[in-house]
Amino acid sequence: DAGVIQSPRHEVTEMGQEVTLRCKPISGHDYLFWYRQTMMRGLELLIYFNNNVPIDDSGMPEDRFSAKMPNASFSTLKIQPSEPRDSAVYFCASTLGQGDNEQFFGPGTRLTVL
Amino acid sequence: KQEVTQIPAALSVPEGENLVLNCSFTDSAIYNLQWFRQDPGKGLTSLLLIQSSQREQTSGRLNASLDKSSGRSTLYIAASQPGDSATYLCAVHSGGGADGLTFGKGTHLIIQP
Repeated sequence: DAGVIQSPRHEVTEMGQEVTLRCKPISGHDYLFWYRQTMMRGLELLIYFNNNVPIDDSGMPEDRFSAKMPNASFSTLKIQPSEPRDSAVYFCASTLGQGDNEQFFGPGTRLTVL
Repeated sequence: KQEVTQIPAALSVPEGENLVLNCSFTDSAIYNLQWFRQDPGKGLTSLLLIQSSQREQTSGRLNASLDKSSGRSTLYIAASQPGDSATYLCAVHSGGGADGLTFGKGTHLIIQP
């Protein structure tokens, strides 16, 4: 398996623009997580899905953030409109809920909002 | 709310030394604990996973222990090498389901050649 795949790897955009981050989990995994990493706050959970259904979005910072999982092999995290304070590395992770729950992370998307 | 603390925040040691990284968590009702490695500008690589019923896990020169009752875990690295230089993150999975992980801020490790 290719592991968790994220795109793009780097994104530079201007304040006010819409940003869409993409994630493909490991095939067969039924849980998908979105995390954000900043120098100040470290790694924080934003939202997670089970069988394509959002379970907990309490970590989503504002209504500007939204996430979807239309099928078992694809998820998006959208920021609209983007702000400079959204600059961070966004990670996607997946796991098999019936297994040992080891989470596997993608390479991340480094977002810079100017 | 679960909180995870890692000590020290940074560590620099000469090559060949054995070292211990510490992780503590406030709520002992955990499902499992994972240690990750993160290289600069890179993603997270899972090193070891310890289930709440286990006391330790070993992988090569790495050994992780878990004392759930006291809310502590340690990562032991034997015979350190320059290639071990990275940030090491401890993460706790709280709850019975596959909830998200709560991360510590990490220990930035430098192994001097």
